[in-house]
Order: sequence, then C-alpha cells, then structure tokens
Amino acid sequence: NAGVTQTPKFRVLKTGQSMTLLCAQDMNHEYMYWYRQDPGMGLRLIHYSVGEGTTAKGEVPDGYNVSRLKKQNFLLGLESAAPSQTSVYFCASSQDRAVQPQHFGDGTRLSIL
Amino acid sequence: TQLLEQSPQFLSIQEGENLTVYCNSSSVFSSLQWYRQEPGEGPVLLVTVVTGGEVKKLKRLTFQFGDARKDSSLHITAAQTGDTGLYLCAGAKEYGNKLVFGAGTILRVKS
Repeated sequence: NAGVTQTPKFRVLKTGQSMTLLCAQDMNHEYMYWYRQDPGMGLRLIHYSVGEGTTAKGEVPDGYNVSRLKKQNFLLGLESAAPSQTSVYFCASSQDRAVQPQHFGDGTRLSIL
Repeated sequence: TQLLEQSPQFLSIQEGENLTVYCNSSSVFSSLQWYRQEPGEGPVLLVTVVTGGEVKKLKRLTFQFGDARKDSSLHITAAQTGDTGLYLCAGAKEYGNKLVFGAGTILRVKS
C-alpha cells in the first residue's frame, strides 16, 4: 500500500536547468496538490488539480508548470531553475474537496546552485 | 502575510510537561486540520474539526475549534519524547478546493 510516491527524493540542479518531479498515488483520489516547504513558512501551495486533465494555480505558481494527464499522476516542472526554488517539495492527494484529509508523499529535496 | 498564525514557533519542554499550541486567523474556516510532521517525512493528519466549539481527543492530545471557527488549539498532556515534531494547522474554506497552512510549531520534548 504505497499511498503517495514522489520521485526523485533528492536532486541538485544548476541554475537554468530544467527538471520534472513526479508524483504518483494509488488511492484513486481526484484531487492532487504540489506544495513547497521552506523554513518558517509552512507549506505553500504551488499548483493543484481537481481531476484528470485539469490544473489550477495556487499561492506561488510562478516558475512552475504542472500536468495531470492520468488520474494517478501529477507532474511538477521547473523550466529554468533558479536558486529561489531551492526547497522541499511535497505532493499530496485527497478524495475530493479540501475538507477531506490530504495524504502526503515524503518529499523531494531540491537544491539549485 | 500568513493567513493562519501559529504560536509559539518553537517549544522545548521536558518529558511529562503539558503544552498548548495555538492557531489563529481573522478568517472563518469551514474546517480545520492538524498535521504532525517528522524530519524527512510528509505531514500526517492527526484530526479534523468542523463544528464551532468542537473538542476532539486523541489519547493525550486534545483539539479544540473556536466557537467562531477562526481559531484552534492543540493541547498535549504529559508530553513524551515521541511527540517531538512539527505541528501544522491547516484551514479549509467552505466548498474550497485547497487548504491554507500555518507556518508550524516545532516541538522538542526532552527526556
């Protein structure tokens, strides 16, 4: 019973490089979310999806893109990485609206040099 | 500006002591969730409160939702070293699709 799986777990990039973070959930959840967590700032929502083929902007969407081509997968892309995007990224899923519990992956630690 | 303000930001106590963590806002939420996060892992849901004035107990943890649904508290009785972690509150607006998280309270319980 994997729940929410994030890959990779760690990554170091140089400024300007691109990469994609993958999130997969096996709970048949409709909603999926990407957050970033920085010291003293809690979790901030980057983008989210309320179903396959849909995406919406969160609180801090600039510099990121997302895609939800399959219900179980939610991809987060950085087209041109910047040092300000150094953070821990968490993916979460929930059955439906925000009142439902969110299930989180274990995070991707990303450093941009 | 954090929509949900948590206090204190950091708490270091001895095993056996009691403590309270607060989560305050000027906004009304339809529900409020508390999560606990350990280093290297994602947050894990502890409880959801949905009714103003609601009190929920989870062993030594007591959660309360304010009457006006703008604030919440988490009280831990006789803290144990296993309670160490980051505690996050998160609020949901009615019919909302997303949660708003507080900045978190880091709790360290020393033996």
